[in-house]
Amino acid sequence: DAKTTQPTSMDCAEGRAANLPCNHSTISGNEYVYWYRQIHSQGPQYIIHGLKNNETNEMASLIITEDRKSSTLILPHATLRDTAVYYCIVRAVNDYKLSFGAGTTVTVRA
Amino acid sequence: EADIYQTPRYLVIGTGKKITLECSQTMGHDKMYWYQQDPGMELHLIHYSYGVNSTEKGDLSSESTVSRIRTEHFPLTLESARPSHTSQYLCASSDSGTGVHGYTFGSGTRLTVV
Repeated sequence: DAKTTQPTSMDCAEGRAANLPCNHSTISGNEYVYWYRQIHSQGPQYIIHGLKNNETNEMASLIITEDRKSSTLILPHATLRDTAVYYCIVRAVNDYKLSFGAGTTVTVRA
Repeated sequence: EADIYQTPRYLVIGTGKKITLECSQTMGHDKMYWYQQDPGMELHLIHYSYGVNSTEKGDLSSESTVSRIRTEHFPLTLESARPSHTSQYLCASSDSGTGVHGYTFGSGTRLTVV
């Protein structure tokens, strides 16, 4: 009963934008979309989150469709250091636990 | 700089030994979590705490136990280590007020039981 669906893996060219899709068709109105990444078995790192509006910070942009059933994480200029497993997570505002799925393994190639 | 600290970073120990993995955070976060992750596999929540003297089991059953006597400290204990406990253990914390902004994770303890 996974709440999100992500591709298993994707490649990206260094310097180009990386667009990571995530489907969350059963998302509820009080659930946020979070993105984390994990670089080579280090502790996961928070990237960005959103409810319904698009969000941007120094790391990435998050585009959420109007029906909220899917979202895309955009890394604007991928570098080799962005190679990692990226997790899309749906979490209710009053549920503090995070459940990590398999994520998308992103490999940035020179 | 790390605001959540896990020690030891690596631990190799014999079967049957009692071990405690330490996790401390300096951010004053009220919520803390332990995750277990085998190499190349998913993270699984094994314990969490929403405050002092409050602990709960997570989604994955674990033979480990935890305690939360102080806000900043959330140690995990295995009374009798077995090779099946070999894994990476990751500690994290979050704040009720800024919980929406996410977790902060430690660097993890890589445990090997021989």
